[in-house]
Amino acid sequence: GQQLNQSPQSMFIQEGEDVSMNCTSSSIFNTWLWYKQDPGEGPVLLIALYKAGELTSNGRLTAQFGITRKDSFLNISASIPSDVGIYFCAGRTIGGAQKLVFGQGTRLTINP
Amino acid sequence: DTAVSQTPKYLVTQMGNDKSIKCEQNLGHDTMYWYKQDSKKFLKIMFSYNNKELIINETVPNRFSPKSPDKAHLNLHINSLELGDSAVYFCASSQGPGMGEQYFGPGTRLTVT
Repeated sequence: GQQLNQSPQSMFIQEGEDVSMNCTSSSIFNTWLWYKQDPGEGPVLLIALYKAGELTSNGRLTAQFGITRKDSFLNISASIPSDVGIYFCAGRTIGGAQKLVFGQGTRLTINP
Repeated sequence: DTAVSQTPKYLVTQMGNDKSIKCEQNLGHDTMYWYKQDSKKFLKIMFSYNNKELIINETVPNRFSPKSPDKAHLNLHINSLELGDSAVYFCASSQGPGMGEQYFGPGTRLTVT
């Protein structure tokens, strides 16, 4: 089945630093989504991308839909303690029963 | 004003038992989903219903049976629970089957002993 390769798997940074994570796939997707999951909670949608090359921001978060439609990145600028959590990318498959395929997640830890 | 809600939040049960998890969404969405998140946090879709009709059925044991009484509700019944069923189960919904923005519930942590 389709798989997403998300990296890095974990990040340990200082408060105030910028963060970058990405997802790549062997297949083309027509939508990329980025979610954040806090402990004991469900994933919360951060950014949705619908067109190849699209660059979208949500506050300190910026995400891009790769031009090849096989990759996406998420950047977080000036990280703060509440950014701690697990970030997931998800791509929506094309054709048939369209479904979301998730990356393995990036666990972000911030040292104050 | 919770958008997607699940009950119970925690479920501890013994092997061989049958249990159900309930999900409700008040977003007016047509499509609902069940996902399983394993101990490594990997999220995988199990089922999807659109307007009470099953549209996605991944390779899931027959012991798992979803039921959608109406488009705002999607329940998951699990028969003869096994140790490997222990996981967090998430319900989600979206406006339609092809709409990528899925909104997740808080999850149900199932522990089978």
